Amino acid sequence: DAKTTQPPSMDCAEGRAANLPCNHSTISGNEYVYWYRQIHSQGPQYIIHGLKNNETNEMASLIITEDRKSSTLILPHATLRDTAVYYCIVRVSQGAQKLVFGQGTRLTINP
Amino acid sequence: NAGVMQNPRHLVRRRGQEARLRCSPMKGHSHVYWYRQLPEEGLKFMVYLQKENIIDESGMPKERFSAEFPKEGPSILRIQQVVRGDSAAYFCASSPDPGRFEQYFGPGTRLTVT
Repeated sequence: DAKTTQPPSMDCAEGRAANLPCNHSTISGNEYVYWYRQIHSQGPQYIIHGLKNNETNEMASLIITEDRKSSTLILPHATLRDTAVYYCIVRVSQGAQKLVFGQGTRLTINP
Repeated sequence: NAGVMQNPRHLVRRRGQEARLRCSPMKGHSHVYWYRQLPEEGLKFMVYLQKENIIDESGMPKERFSAEFPKEGPSILRIQQVVRGDSAAYFCASSPDPGRFEQYFGPGTRLTVT
């Protein structure tokens, strides 16, 4: 699986959009980008995934660059409950496989 | 649809005892994964099981750790002769049959070895 690089921490004001970057310059053509988050002491929570097109769901938007070497997770209106560690993971889609978690980005939403 | 259930949520064991952690996947999910999170560290994959089969145990310590997912009942992660270094949060995740991407995690079992 491709390696990912994320900033260790970020801050965002409540109500603003939180933009979390992820670099995955060695991504292969058949690898998807996944985002999970872990709110303090809880189990990780799936957020969104994508291959090459931008994706949006009720939680977030995922913007993947045209060369697929980086992506950005956008939380459009961050709330205090979005404070968590966010993990960007890249892996192939075939079959059910393990997730390889890096250190992630610790996002703090400030009132 | 109930989520992934893990029990116990907290488990205290003395060194040398056995720890049994249980995971009930979401209804209809036949793939179970176990992950471990040591204090102040990231999540590490341990083992991936389907019903009655271990598919990938590349993250399991070679000794004292075992896992099963029987035809009936929950998946069990078993740690024999626990040591203080086994103290961690153990998370179970499940996913539906291949074709879906996301894994759904349980609340975890926090194991403390005294």
